[in-house]
Amino acid sequence: EVQLVESGGGLVQPGGSLRLSCAASGFTFSSYSMNWVRQAPGKGLEWVSYISSPSTLIFYADSVKGRFTISRDNGKNSLYLQMNSLRAEDTAVYYCAIGRGGDVWGKGTTVTVSS
Amino acid sequence: DIVMTQSPLSLPVTLGQPASISCRSSQSLVHSDGDTYLNWFQQRPGQSPRRLIYKVSNRDSGVPDRFSGSGSGTDFTLKISRVEAEDVGVYYCMQGTHWPRTFGQGTKLEIK
Repeated sequence: EVQLVESGGGLVQPGGSLRLSCAASGFTFSSYSMNWVRQAPGKGLEWVSYISSPSTLIFYADSVKGRFTISRDNGKNSLYLQMNSLRAEDTAVYYCAIGRGGDVWGKGTTVTVSS
Repeated sequence: DIVMTQSPLSLPVTLGQPASISCRSSQSLVHSDGDTYLNWFQQRPGQSPRRLIYKVSNRDSGVPDRFSGSGSGTDFTLKISRVEAEDVGVYYCMQGTHWPRTFGQGTKLEIK
C-alpha cells in the first residue's frame, strides 16, 4: 500500500525555522517526483514546492521562494521541506503528494507560526 | 500565474440527483507534450485531499464510476451522476501544466 507520513510540524515563533519530513513507502520513491502542498485553516489548497525524482528540477511558489528549501533522500525514501524565516501566514497543514498530478497525499502535519 | 476559477462555490444537492462543477483556467492547459494536465480532487471533512480524476477525464483507481471529468483547453467539468452521502466535501481542480501549479478555490458540496 502506498503511504506518505509527514512529520516535523509544531508551534514556532515568527522568524523561526522548522524542517518537515515525509516518509514514503509502498512504491519506488526514487522514480517519482514529489510536491509539498499546504492548506491554511479554513482555506483552500496552495501548492508550495516540487522536486523531480533525481532532484534536478525544483520549483517554489513565490510566497516561499528564498525561505523554503525542498530536498529528498532517495536512499531513505524521504522528502524534506526546510522552512526558514517563518511568518504567520505560513500557518497551515502541510501535505506531501506524489507526482505531477498529486496522485496520493499524506495526512499532513500542522505548522503554527505564532508568538 | 494561471488562475483557476471554479463555479459554483457552494453546491447543495439532493441525494440521488446529479451535480456538476465547472473549472475554467486563465490560459490553455494543453502542454507542449500534447497532454492536458487538469486534475480533480475531493476533500472530505477532516481528511486529506484525494485525487479523483487526472488529465481531464481519467478516473483514479477505486473512484466510483458516477464521477466523470470532461473538457478541453480552458474549460473543464466534474460531474457526479447520482450524489451519495459520502460525496459530501470540497472539490478542487488543479492545473499541472504550468508553473506554479494552481488550484481552484474549491466547491463545497452538501446534501440538501
